[in-house]
Amino acid sequence: GENVEQHPSTLSVQEGDSAVIKCTYSDSASNYFPWYKQELGKRPQLIIDIRSNVGEKKDQRIAVTLNKTAKHFSLHITETQPEDSAVYFCAALSGYSTLTFGKGTMLLVSP
Amino acid sequence: EPEVTQTPSHQVTQMGQEVILRCVPISNHLYFYWYRQILGQKVEFLVSFYNNEISEKSEIFDDQFSVERPDGSNFTLKIRSTKLEDSAMYFCASSAGLLNTEAFFGQGTRLTVV
Repeated sequence: GENVEQHPSTLSVQEGDSAVIKCTYSDSASNYFPWYKQELGKRPQLIIDIRSNVGEKKDQRIAVTLNKTAKHFSLHITETQPEDSAVYFCAALSGYSTLTFGKGTMLLVSP
Repeated sequence: EPEVTQTPSHQVTQMGQEVILRCVPISNHLYFYWYRQILGQKVEFLVSFYNNEISEKSEIFDDQFSVERPDGSNFTLKIRSTKLEDSAMYFCASSAGLLNTEAFFGQGTRLTVV
């Protein structure tokens, strides 16, 4: 089955800095890669996703890149704000409907 | 904005008891999922459901687990004989289509087995 590795497990940045979270996946057939943000005690919420026919996607301060050859994808957050502090999960869709999640990155943005 | 709703928000049960977790997916969605998240760990896929049958399931989803869509709106997860290690947050999710479509998560049910 699919295996998703996510790094780092914890990331501390100063407000205004950029943050980068990286994930690798094992199943070359995976074709959809969402990123979820989970605030403490709350549900995961989709913040951005990318499909396998696209190399990069941007939405305001958030961008995701995908390298299918290397089987890795990354989340980039620019101009970080304290409210960006949360756990971020990457995921890869394999099969028809199985989302495999990474272990999560706790992002701490200090004012 | 439509959302996935789950009940109860917190369930405490004794080991060996059966529990049923309930979910109401978004009304026009066709695909339904259960995930679990043990405290402090990653979200883990349990099962997906489409057209009144299981589409895919993980190794976690053993014979103790079952899912059902008893009517046009509810989607349930049953754990037949709970174990201590079943304690986790259980998330229901739904999506409009198959492949490459966003899964919307419910707020979760925290199951505590004592």
